[in-house]
Amino acid sequence: LAKTTQPISMDSYEGQEVNITCSHNNIATNDYITWYQQFPSQGPRFIIQGYKTKVTNEVASLFIPADRKSSTLSLPRVSLSDTAVYYCLVGPAYSGAGSYQLTFGKGTKLSVIP
Amino acid sequence: DSGVTQTPKHLITATGQRVTLRCSPRSGDLSVYWYQQSLDQGLQFLIQYYNGEERAKGNILERFSAQQFPDLHSELNLSSLELGDSALYFCASSVGRANNEQFFGPGTRLTVL
Repeated sequence: LAKTTQPISMDSYEGQEVNITCSHNNIATNDYITWYQQFPSQGPRFIIQGYKTKVTNEVASLFIPADRKSSTLSLPRVSLSDTAVYYCLVGPAYSGAGSYQLTFGKGTKLSVIP
Repeated sequence: DSGVTQTPKHLITATGQRVTLRCSPRSGDLSVYWYQQSLDQGLQFLIQYYNGEERAKGNILERFSAQQFPDLHSELNLSSLELGDSALYFCASSVGRANNEQFFGPGTRLTVL
């Protein structure tokens, strides 16, 4: 079972790029890495998912090194509205047979300062 | 609005009691996931159903059970409740059988007194 480790909190000024790293040393071959954002009293919201190298969408980039034992979520030019908790999730993302588990990190609380 | 609905929004009950939480997935989604979020444990995956069948199981206690009905809504049953079961319970849904993009509901806040 892949365990994930994230920094508990981070602070950043508005307009800066923020990089949040998640460590997942025991990631399995079939596991993908997914990041979610959560605001207080709301359900998490999908940000990005990847398997290896780099994935980019309209809100973030995800960097995964060749050994896949860690991943970095990059948020370009953060604003106050990006203040939230960011979760790293490791688990398979394919329609294979057999049961599996999903492991969420404990989350990184990002505070964006004006 | 994610399209996932959960009822009730709040639930207060006593130790030893049994409660049922309900989730309706987004239209067209076949997978339903249940999660527990407490202050000290973070977000814990409990169980997943796909098209009525159990697909994946996480750290779900034996006192807890779930099912997904033919209309794809799901219920999470919590019995012999303990103080430590107080938490936010989230339901999420996704289109496919595996861990693709999940859409989370607003959650049910359970308080056990």
